[in-house]
Amino acid sequence: QVQLQQWGAGLLKPSETLSLTCAVYGGSFSDYYWNWIRQPPGKGLEWIGDINHFGRANYNPSFRSRLTISIDTSKNQFSLNLSSVTAADTAVYYCSRGLVPAGLDPWGQGTLVTVSS
Amino acid sequence: NFMLTQPHSVSESPGQTVTISCTGSGGSIASTYVQWYQQRPGSAPTTVINADNERPSGVPSRFSGSIDRSSNSASLTISGLKTEDEADYYCQSYDDSTVVFGGGTKLTVL
Repeated sequence: QVQLQQWGAGLLKPSETLSLTCAVYGGSFSDYYWNWIRQPPGKGLEWIGDINHFGRANYNPSFRSRLTISIDTSKNQFSLNLSSVTAADTAVYYCSRGLVPAGLDPWGQGTLVTVSS
Repeated sequence: NFMLTQPHSVSESPGQTVTISCTGSGGSIASTYVQWYQQRPGSAPTTVINADNERPSGVPSRFSGSIDRSSNSASLTISGLKTEDEADYYCQSYDDSTVVFGGGTKLTVL
């Protein structure tokens, strides 16, 4: 049974960099794309980007200039870095395993990131 | 760009059947698979339908998915509604190498 566990800072000031890491336990790490998704309070899901075990990343164009997704295959972990955050980046951030084109499953537990001065 | 549009909310009574639509624009919804996720308050989404109409292990047979090429839409149908089905539901597909979500539908079982 694959499990994803994520962590990172939950409170940031404007202009700081959001950093989250997701660890994958169980199952293959090399057969999938590893995704980040966010959900602002009271709103819907927004895909941020993904990466495969070769380090090939796909980014939502809305974030491309601020976004880096990286992977550490030795630790079965992948990470999200989003620079120059503003209050609009306040959201619950989720990591998830993707098997294109059959969806995202499972999901991490989510991390609430609040950006406030 | 490919977009998915869902109704903001639907409501139905326990025991009845409800269908949630997901309409594609900017491309064919049949060109790749559609998934459906259930999200209860305070929890991460979970898959109820993948690959258009497949139910993952553990998902009740009351949940079914379909694609209608003529209307360029996908549908999630839940029969024999239970109060525990009250949740937000999101459709999801792909636009080339990017993941696309619908805006979500709040299902109220009253």
